[in-house]
Amino acid sequence: EDQVTQSPEALRLQEGESSSLNCSYTVSGLRGLFWYRQDPGKGPEFLFTLYSAGEEKEKERLKATLTKKESFLHITAPKPEDSATYLCAVQADTGGFKTIFGAGTRLFVKA
Amino acid sequence: DAGVIQSPRHEVTEMGQEVTLRCKPISGHNSLFWYRQTMMRGLELLIYFNNNVPIDDSGMPEDRFSAKMPNASFSTLKIQPSEPRDSAVYFCASSLAVSGNTIYFGEGSWLTVV
Repeated sequence: EDQVTQSPEALRLQEGESSSLNCSYTVSGLRGLFWYRQDPGKGPEFLFTLYSAGEEKEKERLKATLTKKESFLHITAPKPEDSATYLCAVQADTGGFKTIFGAGTRLFVKA
Repeated sequence: DAGVIQSPRHEVTEMGQEVTLRCKPISGHNSLFWYRQTMMRGLELLIYFNNNVPIDDSGMPEDRFSAKMPNASFSTLKIQPSEPRDSAVYFCASSLAVSGNTIYFGEGSWLTVV
């Protein structure tokens, strides 16, 4: 069964303190791995799509990387406005266009 | 461009009542997804459509839930009769039906059943 596991559940950082969020996945064949950001009361907002091991993408203070079994979302010198829940999702070969999500990591950045 | 549009944004209803949630996908998208989000279970896929045809409804919790997509620009998720455990945020999302393509979410419908 396809699975997505995110860790940690919650992460508290001081402003400027860099860290990484983890997304481990088990799928029979990866079509795409997605990162989303979700603010309270809002729908998930798309950040990145990664397709193959070794791929990396960057946007401002965020950088997403992918291996054959996991993805990392690196946050460099975070600011309080980066506080949100970060969701990882995968689309597998056997699932049609079905996209399944992990439980998310809640990030708190303190000024 | 307009994103995925959902209505109502908030609904409070009494147990036993029928609830209908509505979704307008992004123009040109031909896949539509209904998700439910709760603190306990996170984001769960309920059902998805390709070209207005239901492809996988294995996530629909029980017969009280039904979804339709009568045309490319409109879908409904109905709960009849509603129960308190149905209280959640229901998200609609859409994408192009291409392998590995990104799905885009609406702002959600917040349902409370009392």
